[in-house]
Amino acid sequence: AQSVAQPEDQVNVAEGNPLTVKCTYSVSGNPYLFWYVQYPNRGLQFLLKYITGDNLVKGSYGFEAEFNKSQTSFHLKKPSALVSDSALYFCAVRDIGFQKLVFGTGTRLLVSP
Amino acid sequence: SQTIHQWPATLVQPVGSPLSLECTVEGTSNPNLYWYRQAAGRGLQLLFYSIGIDQISSEVPQNLSASRPQDRQFILSSKKLLLSDSGFYLCAWSVTGGATYNSPLHFGNGTRLTVT
Repeated sequence: AQSVAQPEDQVNVAEGNPLTVKCTYSVSGNPYLFWYVQYPNRGLQFLLKYITGDNLVKGSYGFEAEFNKSQTSFHLKKPSALVSDSALYFCAVRDIGFQKLVFGTGTRLLVSP
Repeated sequence: SQTIHQWPATLVQPVGSPLSLECTVEGTSNPNLYWYRQAAGRGLQLLFYSIGIDQISSEVPQNLSASRPQDRQFILSSKKLLLSDSGFYLCAWSVTGGATYNSPLHFGNGTRLTVT
């Protein structure tokens, strides 16, 4: 079965520093990977996706993600963190039948001023 | 552009009472529709998904049910709520057909349900 793992419950970073939120995947076949962000008491917002092609995917709000097939990873990155980036981040993968997304457990990002 | 509406935003219901949460999508046809529950502000649990009218799949056995009376309307129901039904309920949609693998899910703003 398709799955993703987010090994960190929380990531702390100072404003202006680069940030990385980790995600590893396990799939049969090609991976179709997604990142989402959730602010308190709101739904999830789509940030970016990897389907095929370039290993560096650019998304919304200055976020990007690096796909690494050999390490089965899809880490979310941003060169310079903002306090407003503080939120809950989810990695997800399409299931084999393509009808569903399987989500990771989420990583809370805290950016301090 | 496509939009998704979920209501109510918050709901407090006593144990044993019925439940009806509604979700509608505008600006697209024949979407895939989903109900997720998020407990304790973290993990997402897929409850139901639908690839068409009267085509609903249940992911987790429970006292909840889902219906899709119209193409772009998805309803989550319960006849008798339990304390364990408390949580944050999220509706989502995605495109259907050949582009499904490429399509993200788009979420509504959720309903915070507290069962007392």
